[in-house]
Amino acid sequence: EAGVTQSPTHLIKTRGQQVTLRCSPISGHTSVYWYQQALGLGLQFLLWYDEGEERNRGNFPPRFSGRQFPNYSSELNVNALELEDSALYLCASSLQVRTAGELFFGEGSRLTVL
Amino acid sequence: LAKTTQPISMDSYEGQEVNITCSHNNIATNDYITWYQQFPSQGPRFIIQGYKTKVTNEVASLFIPADRKSSTLSLPRVSLSDTAVYYCLVGAAGGYQKVTFGTGTKLQVIP
Repeated sequence: EAGVTQSPTHLIKTRGQQVTLRCSPISGHTSVYWYQQALGLGLQFLLWYDEGEERNRGNFPPRFSGRQFPNYSSELNVNALELEDSALYLCASSLQVRTAGELFFGEGSRLTVL
Repeated sequence: LAKTTQPISMDSYEGQEVNITCSHNNIATNDYITWYQQFPSQGPRFIIQGYKTKVTNEVASLFIPADRKSSTLSLPRVSLSDTAVYYCLVGAAGGYQKVTFGTGTKLQVIP
């Protein structure tokens, strides 16, 4: 069974540009979570989608947005990139009805903003 | 979501048993305790989950006292490949409202 897949794996952007990151959850998983992990730091919760709806978001500005498609895949969009947006962006999926904590993570998208 | 507190870092020699404790004083009745492992530049990987007493799987054991205000992840006979960051999470069954990882415990295994 395929795990959570993310694309692209690495990308370089300049300040002010926009980026779209993509995530495909494990087949059958309806929930998708997005996290930001700056170098050497912990995971900061960004967004949670379930059944196509945004269920919760972390303390990030509105230029961080996303959506979940009918096939449960998801996109994370970041507008007006800033240097501090450089980080590893991780996507995770889970079965909403399962017990808490069984998040399955992808390998992440490493974003560098110059 | 219950806040968790873990040691920032730990060192251990190869072959030793390692115990990492997590405090979660405000754990709710329906909260589970889950531990993840993360290697550099990779996504975290689920290790073990429990609700009370003791849970054991092929890689670790999780000890939870009766008051559930703390939990201890036990890694038997660690090897160099166990060098990673270990995160403790507390959340309710049926999915998280807002899953947040703390800073975790950086375990360094020494030859």
